[in-house]
Amino acid sequence: EPEVTQTPSHQVTQMGQEVILRCVPISNHLYFYWYRQILGQKVEFLVSFYNNEISEKSEIFDDQFSVERPDGSNFTLKIRSTKLEDSAMYFCASEAGFGSSEQFFGPGTRLTVL
Amino acid sequence: AQKVTQAQTEISVVEKEDVTLDCVYETRDTTYYLFWYKQPPSGELVFLIRRNSFDEQNEISGRYSWNFQKSTSSFNFTITASQVVDSAVYFCALRPNSGGSNYKLTFGKGTLLTVNP
Repeated sequence: EPEVTQTPSHQVTQMGQEVILRCVPISNHLYFYWYRQILGQKVEFLVSFYNNEISEKSEIFDDQFSVERPDGSNFTLKIRSTKLEDSAMYFCASEAGFGSSEQFFGPGTRLTVL
Repeated sequence: AQKVTQAQTEISVVEKEDVTLDCVYETRDTTYYLFWYKQPPSGELVFLIRRNSFDEQNEISGRYSWNFQKSTSSFNFTITASQVVDSAVYFCALRPNSGGSNYKLTFGKGTLLTVNP
């Protein structure tokens, strides 16, 4: 069964460093999402991506964040200068298309900023 | 604006007890989907069920059942004869189905269920 994959599973970085979180969505899916979950809290929407552009972003998704689908398979989330409060689990999700109604989640990347 | 409220932060039961997790939602969309996800200690999000706002029939899947009541904007989840493996955080989520290019999920804060042997 096709699945969404994410790498790395755990990333440790120093404050101020750039990180790139990678996701491989299910092939032929058209909608892509990043969500964040700070430890012990709810899952929060960060950004959605469709047709090679951002379709919506939350207030969390400020100028330090960017997303890209560089090669038609990977979907990346970049944080330019990490802060301590960026420590969280980051989930990627993909969805087949309009009316499909289900987002398939990856296993998550745990980001720890020291 | 959409909102999902899971008023129960933590529930603790003894194995074989039945337990109901509450979910109340708010939305201005006329059509929408509701979801339940399970998050075990390993951290991944496990999809449990999707319910279309048109379909108010209750659903049963093994020990799991769901009660969708549009009149009270609730989508409650019951586990019958709970087991230790059911221990997890359970999230209720809502997303619109009104067209456009964004179908973001809005999650509740989750309910931590602990099933003790």
